[in-house]
Amino acid sequence: DAGITQSPRHKVTETGTPVTLRCHQTENHRYMYWYRQDPGHGLRLIHYSYGVKDTDKGEVSDGYSVSRSKTEDFLLTLESATSSQTSVYFCAIRQASSYEQYFGPGTRLTVT
Amino acid sequence: SQQGEEDPQALSIQEGENATMNCSYKTSINNLQWYRQNSGRGLVHLILIRSNEREKHSGRLRVTLDTSKKSSSLLITASRAADTASYFCATDADSGGSNYKLTFGKGTLLTVNP
Repeated sequence: DAGITQSPRHKVTETGTPVTLRCHQTENHRYMYWYRQDPGHGLRLIHYSYGVKDTDKGEVSDGYSVSRSKTEDFLLTLESATSSQTSVYFCAIRQASSYEQYFGPGTRLTVT
Repeated sequence: SQQGEEDPQALSIQEGENATMNCSYKTSINNLQWYRQNSGRGLVHLILIRSNEREKHSGRLRVTLDTSKKSSSLLITASRAADTASYFCATDADSGGSNYKLTFGKGTLLTVNP
């Protein structure tokens, strides 16, 4: 699992509440990514980071924000969760010297 | 929008048979990657093929790339029940640069029956 953990692993929340998902890595990789996975859509990139305080939007960034104040942590925040954000969220890292990405175990989020 | 599209969406074979999955993409790429996902788990990188390569092997995996047709195939030989998983191709959405991003297809679900 390339030293990647995600927390929480499962969460049920109500529409309109804020939610923060955490991705933690232990190997000081520069690049970190947040994806969501939904049936029929595969994986879609939400946001990514290329360094501390350096982030950019992905394909499906609306309704999500991210922060990276330390190399090891990349936070994904849903400011006001909606039912359409029910999904499985994956964090991934990439070494600066290669193109392969390594994924965390995922967080299953249900918004009721 | 998806850059890569896998075909077929689902494939069921018997143990010992070969499994072939295809991926088509739309724009020029620097490289193409294949990933495996077991049910309920994160994706695992399998193999990367660069745009100037035509074929690559890794154990029982064989990947081909045809940039003129914008397509790739993943062959798993002598399949095992443990190969049961979803397989995704991924392409780089932007050409070069340090902010490297991948675009994933929707995947092929492979079931290998004992």
